[in-house]
Amino acid sequence: QQQVKQSPQSLIVQKGGISIINCAYENTAFDYFPWYQQFPGKGPALLIAIRPDVSEKKEGRFTISFNKSAKQFSLHIMDSQPGDSATYFCAARLDTDKLIFGTGTRLQVFP
Amino acid sequence: DAGITQSPRHKVTETGTPVTLRCHQTENHRYMYWYRQDPGHGLRLIHYSYGVKDTDKGEVSDGYSVSRSKTEDFLLTLESATSSQTSVYFCAISDARRANYGYTFGSGTRLTVV
Repeated sequence: QQQVKQSPQSLIVQKGGISIINCAYENTAFDYFPWYQQFPGKGPALLIAIRPDVSEKKEGRFTISFNKSAKQFSLHIMDSQPGDSATYFCAARLDTDKLIFGTGTRLQVFP
Repeated sequence: DAGITQSPRHKVTETGTPVTLRCHQTENHRYMYWYRQDPGHGLRLIHYSYGVKDTDKGEVSDGYSVSRSKTEDFLLTLESATSSQTSVYFCAISDARRANYGYTFGSGTRLTVV
């Protein structure tokens, strides 16, 4: 019940296209849903986050869509660029201080 | 990343030997975490700390122990390294007092057990 399921495992998108990564959870005690971006050889870095009382949050080309009733949330990257090529992790917060991470999505954006 | 450093960055060790990884922060954050990252498993929590001498187990704590004697340092020890502990280890810190807090991760330690 503490799992966060993430899909797809890998994604190939053409430059200018839309990248979509999906996550699902079961535990309704999760209260905060961040997305992290990780480049090779680096640690993950916070990209964007949302609370469950909000259905959408947009920051530049990155948007989180949140469906509380379906227990699903997704990351949309508009106008995808080669520099967006990275691994993306969704996560969910439990007990105010613990993050449970999804298994990651490797995004490759080709010119 | 600024404010959090991990050492060493790379280590090769033999099966059965003890190994200690160090995480050092200069942010004075209360919470510190150790994760391991493996293909197909994402980031899995090993242990975490919510203050000096206050630690708790995560989902994959078997074979690992931690210590936090100072706010700035969080040590992860593999008591007797096994090949299954070959992984990339990340330390993270957080300031849970912030309304929209997030973790800050270190750059990782790549550990190979041969």
